[in-house]
Amino acid sequence: DAKTTQPTSMDCAEGRAANLPCNHSTISGNEYVYWYRQIHSQGPQYIIHGLKNNETNEMASLIITEDRKSSTLILPHATLRDTAVYYCIPTSGGSNYKLTFGKGTLLTVNP
Amino acid sequence: DGGITQSPKYLFRKEGQNVTLSCEQNLNHDAMYWYRQDPGQGLRLIYYSQIVNDFQKGDIAEGYSVSREKKESFPLTVTSAQKNPTAFYLCASNPRQLLGELFFGEGSRLTVL
Repeated sequence: DAKTTQPTSMDCAEGRAANLPCNHSTISGNEYVYWYRQIHSQGPQYIIHGLKNNETNEMASLIITEDRKSSTLILPHATLRDTAVYYCIPTSGGSNYKLTFGKGTLLTVNP
Repeated sequence: DGGITQSPKYLFRKEGQNVTLSCEQNLNHDAMYWYRQDPGQGLRLIYYSQIVNDFQKGDIAEGYSVSREKKESFPLTVTSAQKNPTAFYLCASNPRQLLGELFFGEGSRLTVL
């Protein structure tokens, strides 16, 4: 699986958009980019994933660059409950599939 | 409601004792996973199982053992051979067709006294 680089921490004002970057320059052609978040002392929660095209769901939007070397998770209107560690995880499928979680980005949403 | 149930939520044990953490899911998922998380760190994969009666070692399997006798259950035993067992343990599952969409339990926090 590709290595990733994420900022250690970020701050965002409540109600503003939170843009979380992830660099995955070694991503291979069959690897999707998955995003999860983990609120303190809870299990991680799946947010969104994509391969080439931008994706949007009720939680967030995912923007993947054309060369697929980086992506940005966008929370359009951050709330205090969005304070969490966000993980960017490139991975492929297959019969022996597994996810590898790095240290992620701690997003703090401030009132 | 469907989901993953981990128990106990908090567990204390003395050094040298084995302890078993329970993970049960009623989501009819094929695959199940155990992760360990240390303070300020990401998750590290201990064991995973794609089907009943089969499981594979993850990145840090030493000192741990698992079984997968039933589809809905994937218990983790932390043995006395695990040198630093104090950690937050997370169980997850996913259906085969949803690749990377893991569903996690609420975790079990183990403290060795």
